[in-house]
Amino acid sequence: DARVTQTPRHKVTEMGQEVTMRCQPILGHNTVFWYRQTMMQGLELLAYFRNRAPLDDSGMPKDRFSAEMPDATLATLKIQPSEPRDSAVYFCASGLALVDTQYFGPGTRLTVL
Amino acid sequence: AQSVAQPEDQVNVAEGNPLTVKCTYSVSGNPYLFWYVQYPNRGLQFLLKYITGDNLVKGSYGFEAEFNKSQTSFHLKKPSALVSDSALYFCAVRDDNAGNMLTFGGGTRLMVKP
Repeated sequence: DARVTQTPRHKVTEMGQEVTMRCQPILGHNTVFWYRQTMMQGLELLAYFRNRAPLDDSGMPKDRFSAEMPDATLATLKIQPSEPRDSAVYFCASGLALVDTQYFGPGTRLTVL
Repeated sequence: AQSVAQPEDQVNVAEGNPLTVKCTYSVSGNPYLFWYVQYPNRGLQFLLKYITGDNLVKGSYGFEAEFNKSQTSFHLKKPSALVSDSALYFCAVRDDNAGNMLTFGGGTRLMVKP
């Protein structure tokens, strides 16, 4: 049963610290998306990749967020420095094409104190 | 710009009764429409999608949705609700004329009571 995996599932950190979240897309999927979910804003698209190349990261605060795909089996989302307002659940999703169904990972719940 | 609206924050229904979760959308081109469900502390799970073809789409767990172009709606339905259907439901749209982003609605919490 192929699934998107994300690590860590939970992260508590202090303001100013660097946070790295990892995602393993479903094998063979060539599109990867990063979303953030909060009660106030709902689901927000942060960035997405196709064939490891970033296509759109306009949803991310550029000064502190960065997203990369070092290889086809790993996507990372980094926050440096983290702030309390970054507290949210971060989801990764993958798909076969940009128009295809997106399959979501279980999320990383980030708490920045 | 594409947008999607879920007008109800919460829908309450008794077990065994039919349920409807509403979704309306706005696009400039042709819509690709999706429904996802989110259980507590879990990621979103795909339920069904409309790309083209038959307006009535059947999906997982007995859910279905009807694409209505004139009303720009894509309501989610189920003939007989189960307590286990209680969850957060998201409608999403992609405009084939406006790039590749999927836009999600704010979500509707479905509560099914025994």
